[in-house]
Amino acid sequence: QLQLQESGPGLVKPSETLSLTCTVSGASISSTTYYWGWIRQPPGKGLEWIGSLYYTGSTYYNPSLQSRVTISVDTSKNQFSLKLTSVTAADTAVYYCARHGALTSGFLYWGQGRLVTVSS
Amino acid sequence: QSVLTQPPSVSAAPGQKVTISCSGSGSNVGNNYVSWYQHLPGTAPKLLIYDNNKRPSGIPDRFSGSKSGTSATLGITGLQTGDEADYYCGTWDSSLSAVVFGGGTKLTVL
Repeated sequence: QLQLQESGPGLVKPSETLSLTCTVSGASISSTTYYWGWIRQPPGKGLEWIGSLYYTGSTYYNPSLQSRVTISVDTSKNQFSLKLTSVTAADTAVYYCARHGALTSGFLYWGQGRLVTVSS
Repeated sequence: QSVLTQPPSVSAAPGQKVTISCSGSGSNVGNNYVSWYQHLPGTAPKLLIYDNNKRPSGIPDRFSGSKSGTSATLGITGLQTGDEADYYCGTWDSSLSAVVFGGGTKLTVL
């Protein structure tokens, strides 16, 4: 059974970089033709796609966040990571990692989510 | 402002049927597959429908999806109190080159 688990600091200071890691178990990130993505939900608001990484390493980002986002993979640890620079209070959200079969298809497997608060 | 438009809330009695709409445009709903998610507070979203009308394994057939033109619809029959949740539609937007979601619809089972 595929499982995803987010980890990383729950508190980040304004203007600093938010860093989260998603550890995948039950499947190899590099050997299956899937996309691995990050989605967030600010308090009281809806879902927002941040970006996705294809198993080949190709990345796709939300244009509204593209200048601040990097998604990378560490195949040796079967993990993929999110870095979001120059954060503000507007970046406070629950961050989820998830897997989808194509950019046009749904996210079937999700992590439990990680609340990240941006505050000094 | 979300790219996809959903009603903020819907309600119905237990045992009844409810539909939730998702309105978009030709660059998203009109030419790409639509997915639907159920989101309960404190949990991860659950995929209910993918590719417009397919259900993942384990999703009961009380949940159905359809699409016509630039609008998609989620249907839920035999409503249960456990269905109370937020529901989101999502798809790919070819113009934005981005996955987009609707603003979400809160379902209340009266």
